[in-house]
Amino acid sequence: NAGVTQTPKFRVLKTGQSMTLLCAQDMNHEYMYWYRQDPGMGLRLIHYSVGEGTTAKGEVPDGYNVSRLKKQNFLLGLESAAPSQTSVYFCASSYGNEQFFGPGTRLTVL
Amino acid sequence: EDKVVQSPLSLVVHEGDTVTLNCSYEVTNFRSLLWYKQEKKAPTFLFMLTSSGIEKKSGRLSSILDKKELSSILNITATQTGDSAIYLCAVSYGNTGKLIFGQGTTLQVKP
Repeated sequence: NAGVTQTPKFRVLKTGQSMTLLCAQDMNHEYMYWYRQDPGMGLRLIHYSVGEGTTAKGEVPDGYNVSRLKKQNFLLGLESAAPSQTSVYFCASSYGNEQFFGPGTRLTVL
Repeated sequence: EDKVVQSPLSLVVHEGDTVTLNCSYEVTNFRSLLWYKQEKKAPTFLFMLTSSGIEKKSGRLSSILDKKELSSILNITATQTGDSAIYLCAVSYGNTGKLIFGQGTTLQVKP
């Protein structure tokens, strides 16, 4: 089992560019989450999904969109990147209790 | 507003010392409290504490949940350099498994 995987691992964008981060899990978990981690602020929930075809906003959703077309995949999109979105992004999946995290994507927006 | 607060934010100790990390919370629809260890990459799970399981222990690490005081502690005895990491406290709430994280405590263990 690969667990939770994320692509890409690193990315540098210019302000205004768009990109999609991909998260995949092979544990058949219903729930999936996207977080961002900034220094001194722990992890903050961006969006989450409780099942295929469903998504909901988390704590800091502005500037991001998500899709869950397949149970095993959860995509995070940035339509027009801003420097404030420079962060490390973590995806996680869960069966309802403990969350399992991917290795993270370090995104820099210039 | 729901929140989770950890203290201290950073800590430097020497090998062999015992440390206590604190986590307090104000969260509606509390389900459980979780501790994670984060080294260079993804957080890895340590413990989950619930109303029916308020104390957990694994080797040199142990944790207690105080539901009356809305807090938890994580103890690490006989610290080693490999314990150097960020320790994250998170509270699960509602019925969707969402977590609210504290800011984290950065622990550095010197040889």
